[in-house]
Amino acid sequence: EPEVTQTPSHQVTQMGQEVILRCVPISNHLYFYWYRQILGQKVEFLVSFYNNEISEKSEIFDDQFSVERPDGSNFTLKIRSTKLEDSAMYFCASSAMSSETQYFGPGTRLLVL
Amino acid sequence: KQEVTQIPAALSVPEGENLVLNCSFTDSAIYNLQWFRQDPGKGLTSLLLIQSSQREQTSGRLNASLDKSSGRSTLYIAASQPGDSATYLCAVYGAGTALIFGKGTTLSVSS
Repeated sequence: EPEVTQTPSHQVTQMGQEVILRCVPISNHLYFYWYRQILGQKVEFLVSFYNNEISEKSEIFDDQFSVERPDGSNFTLKIRSTKLEDSAMYFCASSAMSSETQYFGPGTRLLVL
Repeated sequence: KQEVTQIPAALSVPEGENLVLNCSFTDSAIYNLQWFRQDPGKGLTSLLLIQSSQREQTSGRLNASLDKSSGRSTLYIAASQPGDSATYLCAVYGAGTALIFGKGTTLSVSS
């Protein structure tokens, strides 16, 4: 069964460093998403992406964040200058169409020191 | 702003019991609602999607219902098993593309 994959599974970085989180969505899906979950808190929406542009973004997704689909299979989330409060589990998801079932990847656990 | 609440926050039941998990949302103008399962430290596994025009959706021992007018959904688990132990998350689609999540109900099924 097709699945969303994410790399790396864990990342430790120093405050102020740039990180890139990578995702490979399900191949025939058109919508891609990033969510995050701070330990013990709700899963929070960051951004959705369709047709090579951002469809929607939350207040969390400020100028420090960017997304890109550099080729036909990868979808990336870049955090330009990490802060301590960026420590969280980051989930990538994809769906065939908007408002249809979103399939989530296993997540990347980011720790900012 | 859409808010999703799940009650109870935690639930412990003996194996074999039928149980109901509750989800409520403040804005009834939703499109679809999706239930997920999350195991500790892991990703989210989609269980069921209920479209706004549906009242129920079933998958194996799981049955999810949706009442948009009252802002509620329930997830019914029949004949619970220890392997069902996990956190169950409810999430709603509003007018946009984002899923808005509740905090989840952590279920523990003892053998």
